[in-house]
Amino acid sequence: GENVEQHPSTLSVQEGDSAVIKCTYSDSASNYFPWYKQELGKRPQLIIDIRSNVGEKKDQRIAVTLNKTAKHFSLHITETQPEDSAVYFCAARNSGYSTLTFGKGTMLLVSP
Amino acid sequence: DSGVTQTPKHLITATGQRVTLRCSPRSGDLSVYWYQQSLDQGLQFLIQYYNGEERAKGNILERFSAQQFPDLHSELNLSSLELGDSALYFCASSGGLAEETQYFGPGTRLLVL
Repeated sequence: GENVEQHPSTLSVQEGDSAVIKCTYSDSASNYFPWYKQELGKRPQLIIDIRSNVGEKKDQRIAVTLNKTAKHFSLHITETQPEDSAVYFCAARNSGYSTLTFGKGTMLLVSP
Repeated sequence: DSGVTQTPKHLITATGQRVTLRCSPRSGDLSVYWYQQSLDQGLQFLIQYYNGEERAKGNILERFSAQQFPDLHSELNLSSLELGDSALYFCASSGGLAEETQYFGPGTRLLVL
């Protein structure tokens, strides 16, 4: 089955800096890669996603890049703000199934 | 608000007991997924139902079972509870097999004492 590795497990940045979280996946048939943000005690919320026919997608301060050859994808947050502090999860979906395999999460702390 | 609802919000019970968690998907969504999230753990996929039928199984224990009813709401049954079953249980829904985006409910926090 699919295996998703996520790094780093924790990330501390100063407000205004950029943050990058990286994920690798094992199944080359995976074709959909969402990113979820989870605040403490809350539900995971989709913040951005990318499909395998696209190399990069941007939404305001958030961008995701995908390298299918290397089987890795990354989340980039620019001009970080304290409200960006949360746990971020990457996931991969195999084309043959509708289930998602999640990474273990990255705790992002943005200090004022 | 994702449109996915879960009840109860919190549940405290004792070892050996049985509980039922309930999930109502977004209006029109046919697929329901159940996840377990323990401390320091990511989201562990348990099971998926699509339009009343079991579709995929993940790391679900034999003590756990689920079903999806004709009105598309789903229930997750946890029996012979152990301390290690204490976790946040999320359900998520999506429109169908071809639609990838999953929307999560607020979760049920289960504490087994």
